[in-house]
Amino acid sequence: DTGVSQNPRHKITKRGQNVTFRCDPISEHNRLYWYRQTLGQGPEFLTYFQNEAQLEKSRLLSDRFSAERPKGSFSTLEIQRTEQGDSAMYLCASSLVLGNTIYFGEGSWLTVV
Amino acid sequence: GESVGLHLPTLSVQEGDNSIINCAYSNSASDYFIWYKQESGKGPQFIIDIRSNMDKRQGQRVTVLLNKTVKHLSLQIAATQPGDSAVYFCAENMGSGGGADGLTFGKGTHLIIQP
Repeated sequence: DTGVSQNPRHKITKRGQNVTFRCDPISEHNRLYWYRQTLGQGPEFLTYFQNEAQLEKSRLLSDRFSAERPKGSFSTLEIQRTEQGDSAMYLCASSLVLGNTIYFGEGSWLTVV
Repeated sequence: GESVGLHLPTLSVQEGDNSIINCAYSNSASDYFIWYKQESGKGPQFIIDIRSNMDKRQGQRVTVLLNKTVKHLSLQIAATQPGDSAVYFCAENMGSGGGADGLTFGKGTHLIIQP
């Protein structure tokens, strides 16, 4: 049973460096979502794709953040010039277009030092 | 402010007892609700969902109740086990046909199972 896969699971980076996370959704899921979660809080929506089209972006997604899903399958989330405030767990999720249930991956932890 | 919230940050119950986790939402346009379980260091795990045209739905050891009149959602876990210890989130989705912007989560309730 292949769920949503994310890598790397953990990343420690120095402030100012760029980082990229990858997400492989559940096979045949058209929609792919990125969320961010900090300690003690619920996940916060960042952006989502339907196939290769990025349809929605949250105000949380600053200009330093960019997400792509070039072939409508896997997605990448890049953070440029990382700041300490970017330290969080970045969650990827996927769903079918006609299904509301959104399934999450295990997340990618980012620590900016 | 948040459109979805939980009443208690922590709930402690004895192993074998039933537990009830509550959630209040403020957006009457929400038409779909999900409960997730999140263990430490892991991503949220889907437990059960309910649509706004229902008021109760049962799964294995779990029941979700929806009261649209007072905009209240609850998750009942029967005969709690040590493995039920986790943070539980309710989430709402306003979009029809899948949700235009994903889910809105509350802050979560940490369920602690006492031996």
